[in-house]
Amino acid sequence: EAAVTQSPRSKVAVTGGKVTLSCHQTNNHDYMYWYRQDTGHGLRLIHYSYVADSTEKGDIPDGYKASRPSQENFSLILELASLSQTAVYFCASSDWGLSYEQYFGPGTRLTVL
Amino acid sequence: KTQVEQSPQSLVVRQGENCVLQCNYSVTPDNHLRWFKQDTGKGLVSLTVLVDQKDKTSNGRYSATLDKDAKHSTLHITATLLDDTATYICVVGDRGSALGRLHFGAGTQLIVIP
Repeated sequence: EAAVTQSPRSKVAVTGGKVTLSCHQTNNHDYMYWYRQDTGHGLRLIHYSYVADSTEKGDIPDGYKASRPSQENFSLILELASLSQTAVYFCASSDWGLSYEQYFGPGTRLTVL
Repeated sequence: KTQVEQSPQSLVVRQGENCVLQCNYSVTPDNHLRWFKQDTGKGLVSLTVLVDQKDKTSNGRYSATLDKDAKHSTLHITATLLDDTATYICVVGDRGSALGRLHFGAGTQLIVIP
């Protein structure tokens, strides 16, 4: 069964530390996405990628980097974690572009202290 | 500026009752609208997608409507079950192409009690 998995599922980080969130998909999809979800707000797009070794900025890229080393893997990197980056992060994949059906991972709950 | 508004924010119903969730949006253009179910601690799972100017879909106990003129959608859940407890998220896609974006509502938290 096609799936999007994320690791870790939860993480506590210190302010100023480096955090890497990982995503793996077995859907054979070209597009992969990183979103953040804050309580009381809709998901917001951070970065996305449509091919390995290339990433694109989404709507809120500041403070985040992304890496797509292969079609299956997509990482989100917080070089200097800040309190405001406490949120739930979701990875997703889709066959085509940003407007098509996306398949979501279970999320990573990140708490920055 | 929030472009997708969902109401109510939360809703408690008794098992077996019906409920209706609302979604109003200002996204333009509006290519399609999708409803997702998000169980606590889980990812989003698509329930249905609406595409036409005035559209209706049905998926088991879930049915949905879309009126693009009013920029309004509803999700009906019939004969609710305890497993329907979740957050329901309305998402509007502005273009049916690779350049389009998805616009997410904040969700309606539905709690079904025995």
